[in-house]
Amino acid sequence: GAGVSQSPRYKVAKRGQDVALRCDPISGHVSLFWYQQALGQGPEFLTYFQNEAQLDKSGLPSDRFFAERPEGSVSTLKIQRTQQEDSAVYLCASSRTGGSNEKLFFGSGTQLSVL
Amino acid sequence: EDQVTQSPEALRLQEGESSSLNCSYTVSGLRGLFWYRQDPGKGPEFLFTLYSAGEEKEKERLKATLTKKESFLHITAPKPEDSATYLCAALGGTSYGKLTFGQGTILTVHP
Repeated sequence: GAGVSQSPRYKVAKRGQDVALRCDPISGHVSLFWYQQALGQGPEFLTYFQNEAQLDKSGLPSDRFFAERPEGSVSTLKIQRTQQEDSAVYLCASSRTGGSNEKLFFGSGTQLSVL
Repeated sequence: EDQVTQSPEALRLQEGESSSLNCSYTVSGLRGLFWYRQDPGKGPEFLFTLYSAGEEKEKERLKATLTKKESFLHITAPKPEDSATYLCAALGGTSYGKLTFGQGTILTVHP
């Protein structure tokens, strides 16, 4: 596709519900990242994939957060038993190769509101 | 732990009034210093990467510079369409591909 696509654009969940956020990276991009952006803050790293391999998940805040990229393209970020503090914009980004200092192409994000 | 701090938090300029945004960083083994622009409701959009102290890069009215402790984003004769949040991010040597972002500077340019 022309850019990184994320869905849904907005998600409202009741506390305790499970949610799944989808990311379609730019076709052929090897690296995929998930970031969390709270209101008025910069993005914070969650996890990183190179193809289907999850190479770094050090930023996932708890074991309620899980990410996968089974075929090395589309990725899903799953949050179980959502809490109010999970409310944020979840950004997905991809880069062309596995080079760590490449520029990232970001999607527009999924805005999650937990009530 | 890698840290990136941006100042000011917000900056209001008149059209044509040049200024600079600051990004201070504490990073082990800096491998890249990135500048991104973020418009409301959108993801960050890449502007520049700087790799070593003394390096400068320019794009239209923007120029980014890098020292061993700071980076500056200079805006010359800004226009209202330059209004956005500008994010600075550092890539350190301790983990692969993980950017540490600052909190951003919200720039507003009035006509």
